[in-house]
Formats: sequence, structure tokens, C-alpha cells
Amino acid sequence: GENVEQHPSTLSVQEGDSAVIKCTYSDSASNYFPWYKQELGKRPQLIIDIRSNVGEKKDQRIAVTLNKTAKHFSLHITETQPEDSAVYFCAASKGGADGLTFGKGTHLIIQP
Amino acid sequence: DAGVIQSPRHEVTEMGQEVTLRCKPISGHNSLFWYRQTMMRGLELLIYFNNNVPIDDSGMPEDRFSAKMPNASFSTLKIQPSEPRDSAVYFCASSSQVGAYEQYFGPGTRLTVT
Repeated sequence: GENVEQHPSTLSVQEGDSAVIKCTYSDSASNYFPWYKQELGKRPQLIIDIRSNVGEKKDQRIAVTLNKTAKHFSLHITETQPEDSAVYFCAASKGGADGLTFGKGTHLIIQP
Repeated sequence: DAGVIQSPRHEVTEMGQEVTLRCKPISGHNSLFWYRQTMMRGLELLIYFNNNVPIDDSGMPEDRFSAKMPNASFSTLKIQPSEPRDSAVYFCASSSQVGAYEQYFGPGTRLTVT
């Protein structure tokens, strides 16, 4: 089955700086890669996703890049703000109506 | 749109008791997923349904776990008998098979088995 590795497990950055979280996957058939943000005690919320036919996608301060050859994808957050503090999960699936395999999560801490 | 609805939000039960978790997907969504979240194992897919039919239950940990989807607007996850190691947050998510792949999560049920 699919295996998703996520790094780092904890990331502390100064407010206003950029944050990068990286994930690798094992199944070359995977073609859908979402990122979820989870605040303490809350549900995971989809913040951005990318499909295998696209190399990069951007939504305001958030961007995701995908390298299918190397089987890795990354989340980039620019101009970080205190409200960006949360746990971020990457995931992979074969798309359509397929279940997600999640990474172990990255605890992002924004230092004031 | 009410989003995915789960009940109960919190459940505390004693070891050996039967536990039933409930989920109502977003109206019009035809795929439903059950996930479990623990500190040790993270977010794990347990089972998912397409058009009310179970597609992949390989993530269900043991025969003590069972899930059903009798119609497009309701699903249950049952644990019988429950054990302390089943303590976790159980999330239900739904998605539409048409076009978008996005899965939307419910608020979760926090299960504590003592």
C-alpha cells in the first residue's frame, strides 16, 4: 500500500518568515495530494491540493509543489502569521473516490 | 450546507461495551470515509464506501470493528466489544465522485474506553 513520509515533525519560524513542509510517497499510482490544517481539538481542514497533472499550485500565501519523478511534494507558506500555528498533514491517494494515506503531521509554531 | 455531521461528539464507555458512532455525509456526496486519529498512529483510514457499497476495509483493525451504510445519508461504525486501545478520535469524511476529489471532515467523535 501507499506510505507517506512527512518532515519535519516540528517547525518553528519567526512571524513573517516562510515555512516549508516536505512529504514523500511510495505509490507511483497516487495522483492526488491534499494538505490539511488541524487546530487543537478541531477537525482537519483542507487548505490546498494538487493533482498529478500540475507541478505547482498557489493560493494567496500558500503554495504546493509536486515532483512526480522524485515522488515528493511540498507545502510553502509565505509571510507566516500567528494564526498559521497548527498541525499540518500531507496526504496522497489515487484520486477519485479513494481513501487518503496521511503523513504523521508537522507542528508549525509561529514565533512572535 | 450543514457539513458532515457526527454523533455523539464524545463517548465514554467501559471496556467490553458496544459502541456505535454515527455519520451523516454532506448531501449529494456519494463517497464516505471513516478515519481514526491517535497520537501514536496519526490519521488512519479504516474503511470507505462509494454509493453505499464498502470498497476497502483493509484498515479496519480487527473483527471487533464493523461499518455499515444502509443509505446515502447515514453510516455507522460499531465496536463490539470495546477495548481501552480503541480510545481515539474517529472522523467521518465525505466527498463527491463527480469532478473534485476533496474530502470534507466531520467534527469527530472522541471515544474513551476505560
